[in-house]
Amino acid sequence: AQTVTQSQPEMSVQEAETVTLSCTYDTSESDYYLFWYKQPPSRQMILVIRQEAYKQQNATENRFSVNFQKAAKSFSLKISDSQLGDAAMYFCAYRSTFTNAGKSTFGDGTTLTVKP
Amino acid sequence: DAMVIQNPRYQVTQFGKPVTLSCSQTLNHNVMYWYQQKSSQAPKLLFHYYDKDFNNEADTPDNFQSRRPNTSFCFLDIRSPGLGDAAMYLCATSGLTLNTEAFFGQGTRLTVV
Repeated sequence: AQTVTQSQPEMSVQEAETVTLSCTYDTSESDYYLFWYKQPPSRQMILVIRQEAYKQQNATENRFSVNFQKAAKSFSLKISDSQLGDAAMYFCAYRSTFTNAGKSTFGDGTTLTVKP
Repeated sequence: DAMVIQNPRYQVTQFGKPVTLSCSQTLNHNVMYWYQQKSSQAPKLLFHYYDKDFNNEADTPDNFQSRRPNTSFCFLDIRSPGLGDAAMYLCATSGLTLNTEAFFGQGTRLTVV
């Protein structure tokens, strides 16, 4: 079974600065998908960015980018020019290409605080 | 614009009194999931439907049941809620293409008194 580990329960960043959230995972599969989700307080969880394991190029979405190291099984999220609206809990998720209906395994989350 | 809608947002139920949480979607997704999330922890998958096929997680208590009468709706039934069942319950959907993300509802916060 796959496991996802987020070693930083809490992180804080100054507004306009850059922060990196770490995520590692364990799998024996060669093809899979990785996601970062954002869950603001009292709001629904939404996708931030996704990475397909067979793609070497790191995914980027505006201020959000990932550092995907397949051999190291590492998938960190970098948030540039942090904004107050980035404050949320961030979950890293692994999605197998083999399991039924592509179930996702989530890490325990990192709570990000943005200081004005 | 809401694509995955959960009702109610907040539910208070008495210890042992059956309760039903509902989820509807406008995305026409084949897969629907129910997650339990406690106190800023990772969402824990309870079960999911692949179309009409029900898939229970091995460690989901028998106290939890689900129904999916059609593509759009899915229900979570808790037959005899205990204090330990107080949590946020998240409904999510996804399409069949594996690189697509899950779309979540806003959740129902269940309180057991």
